[in-house]
Amino acid sequence: AQSVSQHNHHVILSEAASLELGCNYSYGGTVNLFWYVQYPGQHLQLLLKYFSGDPLVKGIKGFEAEFIKSKFSFNLRKPSVQWSDTAEYFCAVARITDDYKLSFGAGTTVTVRA
Amino acid sequence: DGGITQSPKYLFRKEGQNVTLSCEQNLNHDAMYWYRQDPGQGLRLIYYSQIVNDFQKGDIAEGYSVSREKKESFPLTVTSAQKNPTAFYLCASTQGQRENQPQHFGDGTRLSIL
Repeated sequence: AQSVSQHNHHVILSEAASLELGCNYSYGGTVNLFWYVQYPGQHLQLLLKYFSGDPLVKGIKGFEAEFIKSKFSFNLRKPSVQWSDTAEYFCAVARITDDYKLSFGAGTTVTVRA
Repeated sequence: DGGITQSPKYLFRKEGQNVTLSCEQNLNHDAMYWYRQDPGQGLRLIYYSQIVNDFQKGDIAEGYSVSREKKESFPLTVTSAQKNPTAFYLCASTQGQRENQPQHFGDGTRLSIL
């Protein structure tokens, strides 16, 4: 079965530290890839997306992600985190040939300490 | 502003009772989705609908039912057959079943058992 794996359940960082969240998926067909963020008390928001072209995509708030097709990975990065980046982060994979259904990873809670 | 409205924000269910969660969108989106979010498991797809009067089961449809009588509305009924209904329920929509269309999410409904 197709699955999405996020490597870390909870990450704790200090402000200005760099962040990298891992995401791997197992689906072999064509996919679209997303990272969503859920700030405390807020709804899920799209952070960035990859559909085609340049495998390095930039999103909002200084986040970027790199699609490595050979590794089935779509890792999220931010060079210098802020306290306001405290949130839960979800990787999601859309299966193009399966009604474009989204599969989500279990999520990574990121806590940034001031 | 366009968006997705879920109501109520909190809902309590008695044993043996059916409850209905509301999801309305004014984005003119064709496709709508229901997810269940449990701690440590990310989001799992319950049902989805690509067009009015049509819907398909997702990965965990047992114990749930939906209808899609209007484009803007996609209510979810949690039936008494759902033995573990306590969760956070998220509704989403997207323009259609095609590439380059991220899903937009509502604020969610938290369902608890009395």
